[in-house]
Amino acid sequence: AQKITQTQPGMFVQEKEAVTLDCTYDTSDPSYGLFWYKQPSSGEMIFLIYQGSYDQQNATEGRYSLNFQKARKSANLVISASQLGDSAMYFCAMREGLGAGGTSYGKLTFGQGTILTVHP
Amino acid sequence: EAQVTQNPRYLITVTGKKLTVTCSQNMNHEYMSWYRQDPGLGLRQIYYSMNVEVTDKGDVPEGYKVSRKEKRNFPLILESPSPNQTSLYFCASSLSVGILYNEQFFGPGTRLTVL
Repeated sequence: AQKITQTQPGMFVQEKEAVTLDCTYDTSDPSYGLFWYKQPSSGEMIFLIYQGSYDQQNATEGRYSLNFQKARKSANLVISASQLGDSAMYFCAMREGLGAGGTSYGKLTFGQGTILTVHP
Repeated sequence: EAQVTQNPRYLITVTGKKLTVTCSQNMNHEYMSWYRQDPGLGLRQIYYSMNVEVTDKGDVPEGYKVSRKEKRNFPLILESPSPNQTSLYFCASSLSVGILYNEQFFGPGTRLTVL
């Protein structure tokens, strides 16, 4: 079963508007972390935001916020006031806690990615 | 500057010709990992290392080898590359394993084509 699912292969947004990129996850470990990375066309992976499973508040970093709905196992990324430079591939990833077994130690499990295109 | 470096950045090779992709980090990180990225599949872990001389398989280890003789270096070895190993490869490192939040720092990627 997919541990991280990003159901939107591509998204379009008008410049200056907000956009939500969906991410759902599956884990039985009560302790886990959720990450979002941006991959521009140049290829590098850029860390955007982190949400821990025990965090009481949704994470925010500048124009990025994470809409964390634990009961629904979703961790959607919200980008406010989109800019042309936000056009990129976005990956959601999860790291499970130490209780998940040895092979989970440190590993990030990634979703398939969503390509975001910002139109002027 | 804190960084993860990979070399080469681009490589075209032929089936069966052994190759090594180097990875080095200057942040004194314990944990290092290799991922491959393929369209529609996201990034998948190949091998990881929790410290010097400690390595283990990830999700897709077949056809790859690694070693961790020094803390800063974690080379990826393809003993006999095949066309299905054509992919974009990333090396990553993080401070330690025990803390969930440890951000993984990624190298710039190596685009490998096996003909």
